Amino acid sequence: DAGITQSPRHKVTETGTPVTLRCHQTENHRYMYWYRQDPGHGLRLIHYSYGVKDTDKGEVSDGYSVSRSKTEDFLLTLESATSSQTSVYFCAIRRTDYYGYTFGSGTRLTVV
Amino acid sequence: AQSVTQLGSHVSVSEGALVLLRCNYSSSVPPYLFWYVQYPNQGLQLLLKYTSAATLVKGINGFEAEFKKSETSFHLTKPSAHMSDAAEYFCAVSDGETSGSRLTFGEGTQLTVNP
Repeated sequence: DAGITQSPRHKVTETGTPVTLRCHQTENHRYMYWYRQDPGHGLRLIHYSYGVKDTDKGEVSDGYSVSRSKTEDFLLTLESATSSQTSVYFCAIRRTDYYGYTFGSGTRLTVV
Repeated sequence: AQSVTQLGSHVSVSEGALVLLRCNYSSSVPPYLFWYVQYPNQGLQLLLKYTSAATLVKGINGFEAEFKKSETSFHLTKPSAHMSDAAEYFCAVSDGETSGSRLTFGEGTQLTVNP
C-alpha cells in the first residue's frame, strides 16, 4: 500500500539488552509514528517524527528513543529492554493524498 | 488534548444482525475521525474516515459511520453482520496539524459474530 516495511517482524530479546526496530517507507511521507499495542490499551503513541531529525515524544515514551536521519527510515530503540516492553509495535505514516494513516505490519517483541 | 472512548470492549451479534460499535471523542478543534479494523495477527486496515466533508461516511465491507458534532460521536454501523466481520475495531481521532497530526486511539472493541 504505502510501502511501509517494519523489521524485524518478530524478536525475542533478554532483559537489559538494547533493541532497535526499523520502519522504512518508500513514498517520502513527512510524518512517521511509532505505536505500541497492548490488550486493553488499544494503540498508544511512543514517538513521532515530522521531518528529518525532527522528533517528539508521545504518551508512553519512557525507555524509548528514536532517530530519523533520512526521510525513509524511522528507528525505534529500546535502550535497555524490560519485560513491560513486551508488545506489538506498529509504525505508521500520515498520507497527504487523502489525510489518512497507513500502518506497517507490526513487530512482535518479547523481552524475557 | 484529544481522546477517544469506545463503549464496550466486547460486542457479540448474530450473523445477519445489525452491528453498532460506539465511539465518542474529545477534541479541542474540528477533528478528523477514523475507524480501523484489525484481524487476528494482522496490522490495522482503514475502514473509513471523516475529514469534515459529508457527515455520513461510507467505508469498505459495507460499514458506515455518522459524525454527530452535538453528541461528539462517530458510531460505526453495518446493517447485516457477516462471519468475516469478526475482528477488533478501533476508533481514532486526530486534531490535524495542531498536534503533529498525532492519531489517538480508543481501546478497541472486539466484535464476535455468532452463526
